[in-house]
Order: sequence, then structure tokens, then C-alpha cells
Amino acid sequence: AQSVTQLGSHVSVSEGALVLLRCNYSSSVPPYLFWYVQYPNQGLQLLLKYTSAATLVKGINGFEAEFKKSETSFHLTKPSAHMSDAAEYFCAVRDQAGTALIFGKGTTLSVSS
Amino acid sequence: DAGVTQSPTHLIKTRGQHVTLRCSPISGHKSVSWYQQVLGQGPQFIFQYYEKEERGRGNFPDRFSARQFPNYSSELNVNALLLGDSALYLCASSLPDRAGNTIYFGEGSWLTVV
Repeated sequence: AQSVTQLGSHVSVSEGALVLLRCNYSSSVPPYLFWYVQYPNQGLQLLLKYTSAATLVKGINGFEAEFKKSETSFHLTKPSAHMSDAAEYFCAVRDQAGTALIFGKGTTLSVSS
Repeated sequence: DAGVTQSPTHLIKTRGQHVTLRCSPISGHKSVSWYQQVLGQGPQFIFQYYEKEERGRGNFPDRFSARQFPNYSSELNVNALLLGDSALYLCASSLPDRAGNTIYFGEGSWLTVV
């Protein structure tokens, strides 16, 4: 069965610092992987997705993620954090039937000035 | 173009009552899914409907039901509400049912059960 594990429930960085949010997946088939962001009291917004094309995926707001099959990882990065990046981030994998997204527990990103 | 729209945005119900949540997908999207997000957790899949047929069901009790209408809008119904049903209920839509398609989420309906 598919699953994702997000390492670190809370990550704190300074403005301008590198952002690294970790996600490891488990999948019996080639996975479709997604990163979503959730701002307070809002729904989920797609940052980027991996669908077996390029292993380095670029998303919105300067975020990118690299699919590493050997490490079963899909970590999210951004070279320079901005205050507006403070939010909850969720990694997700499409289930084997293709009907549902299976989400991790989320990582809260805090950005300090 | 309008995104996924949900109503109501907030509601308070009493234990044992029934609730109906509504969702309109993005124009042209035929697949609608429902997720429950309890505070501090990731969303949990409840149902997926495609072309008015149930295509997937998560691990939720029979008190939860849904349907999709000819215009592809959807309703989520929860009977005999429990305190533990308090959560953000998210509706999502996507184009024809392919695993790599992007799933777009609405702003959600906040349900508080007292």
C-alpha cells in the first residue's frame, strides 16, 4: 500500500535561508507524488507534482522537489525563504487505484525575520 | 474561472444531527472527491465520484455518504454526528480520472459538532 512520511512536524528557518522539507514515500508501483501548501484557514494549493517525467520538478513560488527512487524520497526545497512561505506543507502520493491522495501528517514551516 | 466552491464555509451542529455539505467542481471537471482534515492532521480520503458513480471509498463508517449530480456537483452527508466528526471537510475536483492529473481543492467547510 502507498504511504508517505514527512520527517519533522515543524521546521523553522530565517528569512533568506534554505528551506528543506522532507518526504519519504512507500509505493508498490511507480508513484505519482504531490506537494501541497495550506495557509491558515484555507484549502490546499498545489505546489508541484511528479508524474514520472523529469526527476527535478519545479513548482510555484520558487519551490522545487527532486524524485530519488533509490532513496524513496521527494524532498521539497526553496533556496531562499520568504516570510510569506510560512504555512503547513503536505506531501501526498496517489493511491494504487488512482482514486485518492494519501497525505502525510504535514510539516509546519515558520519563517523568522 | 471559478475554482472549487464549497458551502457552507462554517457550521455548528449538535451531536446526533445530520449535515449536508455541498461542492461545485471546476468547470469541465467530472471527478469530485471528499476529504476530512482533523486539526493538526493531513487530509483523509472519504469518497471519490466520477461521472456520477462512486469510484473509491475511504475507511469511514456508513454514516458518511455522498452523491454526484448530473452537473457534476456533489453533496457529502453525515448522519448521527459525533464530536469526532468536527473537522475541515475538503472537496476536490480533477479532469478525467487519471492518476497523474492535478487535484484541485476548495477552501473547505468547517464543521463543529457540540
